[in-house]
Amino acid sequence: DTAVSQTPKYLVTQMGNDKSIKCEQNLGHDTMYWYKQDSKKFLKIMFSYNNKELIINETVPNRFSPKSPDKAHLNLHINSLELGDSAVYFCASSHRRTGGNEQFFGPGTRLTVL
Amino acid sequence: QQPVQSPQAVILREGEDAVINCSSSKALYSVHWYRQKHGEAPVFLMILLKGGEQKGHEKISASFNEKKQQSSLYLTASQLSYSGTYFCGTPLGGSEKLVFGKGTKLTVNP
Repeated sequence: DTAVSQTPKYLVTQMGNDKSIKCEQNLGHDTMYWYKQDSKKFLKIMFSYNNKELIINETVPNRFSPKSPDKAHLNLHINSLELGDSAVYFCASSHRRTGGNEQFFGPGTRLTVL
Repeated sequence: QQPVQSPQAVILREGEDAVINCSSSKALYSVHWYRQKHGEAPVFLMILLKGGEQKGHEKISASFNEKKQQSSLYLTASQLSYSGTYFCGTPLGGSEKLVFGKGTKLTVNP
């Protein structure tokens, strides 16, 4: 059974389009995250939800909107895609703990904006 | 504040040892280590929660010097499977928000 799954794995789209990435975890974790990894492999957190509540909201363009329908799912919707949005997007989950806890990452979604 | 990792890259022959360092200009509440193989997701290695704590997993171990605000990852008798990019992460202000270093690319050759 896949612990953290993301769909789709690859996403190729034109500038200006709107797209969504879905994430699901079956680990019973209460916290989920979205990370962006750029071409230089820099891994940067974008958002985090704990029990469906937004707890981390980094300086990300408001074209990016996360949604957590329940604590096992965290989706990412991106409006008006730009070339600079091309990256690999990772979803992750963990149990919330002060100081942080082991995070389990999904396989990633490689987004290419043409 | 992003932690600083060094070196940026290291090339080893199988069986050699390596040390990867992670330092911060701010107080560290904990240090997390992850490994990412090419084309794959980052995978958790270990967390060090207390100053002076040392942990090990097979031939990979780490130490955390809270006073010096740094951590080191030790890879002993490296194997081909150790190749990948190693990231250290520190939670900002003790929160869940992990800020990762830029990574250290480790290549182990036969």
